[in-house]
Amino acid sequence: SYELTQPLSVSVALGQTTRITCGGDNIGTKNVHWYQQKPGQAPVLVIFRDTNRPSGIPERFSASNSGNTATLTISRAQAGDEADYYCQVWDTSFTYVFGAGTKVTVL
Amino acid sequence: EVQVLESGGGLVQPGGSLRLSCAASGFTFQYYAMNWVRQAPGQGLEWVSTISGSGDTTFYADSVKGRFTISRDNSRNTLYLQLTSLRVTDTAVYYCAKEGAGTYHFDHWGQGTLVTVSS
Repeated sequence: SYELTQPLSVSVALGQTTRITCGGDNIGTKNVHWYQQKPGQAPVLVIFRDTNRPSGIPERFSASNSGNTATLTISRAQAGDEADYYCQVWDTSFTYVFGAGTKVTVL
Repeated sequence: EVQVLESGGGLVQPGGSLRLSCAASGFTFQYYAMNWVRQAPGQGLEWVSTISGSGDTTFYADSVKGRFTISRDNSRNTLYLQLTSLRVTDTAVYYCAKEGAGTYHFDHWGQGTLVTVSS
């Protein structure tokens, strides 16, 4: 089965930029989606189809996908960006696969 | 505004059954596949099941295949998940999630309903 690898945690200084990676075999050939989940809340879609932001998601959130790594970038980090972030792909065996999640701490 | 609202969670003994519901509004329900995703306490997200817009095609994670049944009533804009032969490891918040258009992702989520399996 397909697996996605994310770092357990990352930290970023207020106002700075952080990047969250999502590794997978030839992940660049798949559509990658990203979700933000704040404590006690449901996940929220922040990026779909590699690079697209849903309406209402700030431009500070961007993403890329190439080779074996997809990356979510949070620019000008704010305290409200503290959350768990999950990457997700759809596998050809009709399985939706999530990464284990990355906890982002804003210092 | 798209809204999905789950209900039906609770405490159940191992081996027991439960039916979850998800009421949808704000979009043409029958046009979209719908999903259940769960999250065990302190853990990550796990896809559980998907049903097509018409209801005639369903998919399940291996961990629940043969025990859970997904269904929908398009006349009531409601999604269901029947849970049987429940195990302690099925304890989780169960989220209803609308399928996004085109590329197999979840564009709107409910707040979730907690299922606790314990004796």
